[in-house]
Amino acid sequence: ETGVTQSPTHLIKTRGQQVTLRCSSQSGHNTVSWYQQALGQGPQFIFQYYREEENGRGNFPPRFSGLQFPNYSSELNVNALELDDSALYLCASSLEGQGREKLFFGSGTQLSVL
Amino acid sequence: GDSVTQMEGPVTLSEEAFLTINCTYTATGYPSLFWYVQYPGEGLQLLLKATKADDKGSNKGFEATYRKETTSFHLEKGSVQVSDSAVYFCALLNTNAGKSTFGDGTTLTVKP
Repeated sequence: ETGVTQSPTHLIKTRGQQVTLRCSSQSGHNTVSWYQQALGQGPQFIFQYYREEENGRGNFPPRFSGLQFPNYSSELNVNALELDDSALYLCASSLEGQGREKLFFGSGTQLSVL
Repeated sequence: GDSVTQMEGPVTLSEEAFLTINCTYTATGYPSLFWYVQYPGEGLQLLLKATKADDKGSNKGFEATYRKETTSFHLEKGSVQVSDSAVYFCALLNTNAGKSTFGDGTTLTVKP
């Protein structure tokens, strides 16, 4: 089975720009969650998508948005980037209904906002 | 809201030493509890989990017991190896909210 893959691995943007991060979930997984991990901290939940619908959201502003596609891959979009958005963005997939508690993480996208 | 508190690191041990990393949590309902490990340059990997009170999760010599009375899920290993050097994250899953809440991680360095 293929694992969770994220692209790009690294990205540099300037304040005010927009960014799109991509995630391919593990084969057969229908649920994707996105997390933000600042340096020295644990991952913070951004939102989760299940069958193309947002299925829970953390304490992040609306300029963080997402999509899930019919093949269960996903995008995270961040508008009007701020310096504090610099972090490692992690995507995790899981299978709703069976083993849903086990998250499979990608290696992340390291975003730097200058 | 839900929260997870881990013992602060970094933790440095000699090979074959005993390891304990403390984790306590606050949550509504009956969360599932997890330990994840993050090796340098890699994503998080599930190490072990426990889904109800008094359950013991174990994997690769690591163990943790779900203690509801003390709201704790401490990670232990009897004899650490250099290859165990990594960042360890305690986490809970609130099944009602569908999201996982993570602690800030504890960096473990094991020296030969």
